Amino acid sequence: EVQLVESGGGLVKPGGSLRLSCAASGFTFSSYSMNWVRQAPGKGLEWVSSISSSSSYIYYADSVKGRFTISRDNAKNSLYLQMNSLRAEDTAVYYCARVPLLGFMDVWGKGTTVTVSS
Amino acid sequence: DIQMTQSPSSLSASVGDRVTITCQASQDISNYLNWYQQKPGKAPKLLIYDASNLETGVPSRFSGSGSGTDFTFTISSLQPEDIATYYCQQYDNLVFTFGPGTKVDIK
Repeated sequence: EVQLVESGGGLVKPGGSLRLSCAASGFTFSSYSMNWVRQAPGKGLEWVSSISSSSSYIYYADSVKGRFTISRDNAKNSLYLQMNSLRAEDTAVYYCARVPLLGFMDVWGKGTTVTVSS
Repeated sequence: DIQMTQSPSSLSASVGDRVTITCQASQDISNYLNWYQQKPGKAPKLLIYDASNLETGVPSRFSGSGSGTDFTFTISSLQPEDIATYYCQQYDNLVFTFGPGTKVDIK
């Protein structure tokens, strides 16, 4: 079964850091680009970051550029999001999603919740 | 950056009704437009990719059309299980933008 499972969310103070992980199974992880997408409480979906299959291409939303770092370990079938200098507005459910060649997101994890509050 | 708008922001319709949602891009995106369904507390689900292609396993009552800047998503006969928020999404290389969403419920 194709599956993505996020972990690492939690409560963190403003200015703090957190590292999210996404474990992939059931498909050849190294063949796919991957995304992080977030959803603040009661709000819509916001793309956060993308990484190509070999990590050659990495992109960020302006809202997280310079604070978040996406990475992957194809040997461990894992995707990561290092989040630094966290702000209250980063509070959201964070989803990882698979990106086939054509640029849609066809497999999503269930999400992990990040709360930034003092 | 490419901006996406959707209309309406919400709608109520009866079971069996035809429902149409529109999505507009701020510049020409060819057919690089996808549609997702999200039910409360759940992850989004891909329905339509590249403007008009139905994802495997998605019921045929869902369809999409359009190209350039104007796109349409249609539910031909609304079912109770279609209650959800629907999002359009464009992509340019590995940069993605979602529309603000359209909440659909039953009248």
